[in-house]
Amino acid sequence: AQTVTQSQPEMSVQEAETVTLSCTYDTSESDYYLFWYKQPPSRQMILVIRQEAYKQQNATENRFSVNFQKAAKSFSLKISDSQLGDAAMYFCAYRILVTSGTYKYIFGTGTRLKVLA
Amino acid sequence: DVKVTQSSRYLVKRTGEKVFLECVQDMDHENMFWYRQDPGLGLRLIYFSYDVKMKEKGDIPEGYSVSREKKERFSLILESASTNQTSMYLCASSLFWAGEGKLFFGSGTQLSVL
Repeated sequence: AQTVTQSQPEMSVQEAETVTLSCTYDTSESDYYLFWYKQPPSRQMILVIRQEAYKQQNATENRFSVNFQKAAKSFSLKISDSQLGDAAMYFCAYRILVTSGTYKYIFGTGTRLKVLA
Repeated sequence: DVKVTQSSRYLVKRTGEKVFLECVQDMDHENMFWYRQDPGLGLRLIYFSYDVKMKEKGDIPEGYSVSREKKERFSLILESASTNQTSMYLCASSLFWAGEGKLFFGSGTQLSVL
């Protein structure tokens, strides 16, 4: 079964500190994309960062970076210098090829991040 | 600016009613998706479509159907709404050849079935 597991339902971080959100996944594919999406109270999903599985270098986007461990099927998100605006639900996801030749996206259960002033 | 628009932000329906959730995208995307979001369960794929009149079941299609008569519009249909279908519904779209794979989301419809 293709699954995404986020084992931390909720995390808290002090403003300006660093926090890491964990994600593991299960796939038999060799090439795939991984994503972190953020959902603030507005409900609008925002792409935070993405990683292609064949690239060994970890992706970074400003204060956001990932630790991608392909063999362990682990894809954690590190947020540095946390800001109040980072408070949101974070979803890990991956994209897989389907029989029609296109892709579908499998999401995890989410981690709610609280940022403390 | 790219847009995925869901027709209603909040919807209240009665048990047994037929419910239509509408989604429109203006990016000429081939793929469109319907997810439901529940606390502790994350986003679960209901149905997706990769072309007009083409559809594939997701992980939880029971109790739902979909319609895609035009490329820009993807409708989710609850034939006979039940209380366990109370949820947040999210529509999304992407290119068929998804490249770097960005998924574009609407802002969700919170459906309450009473």
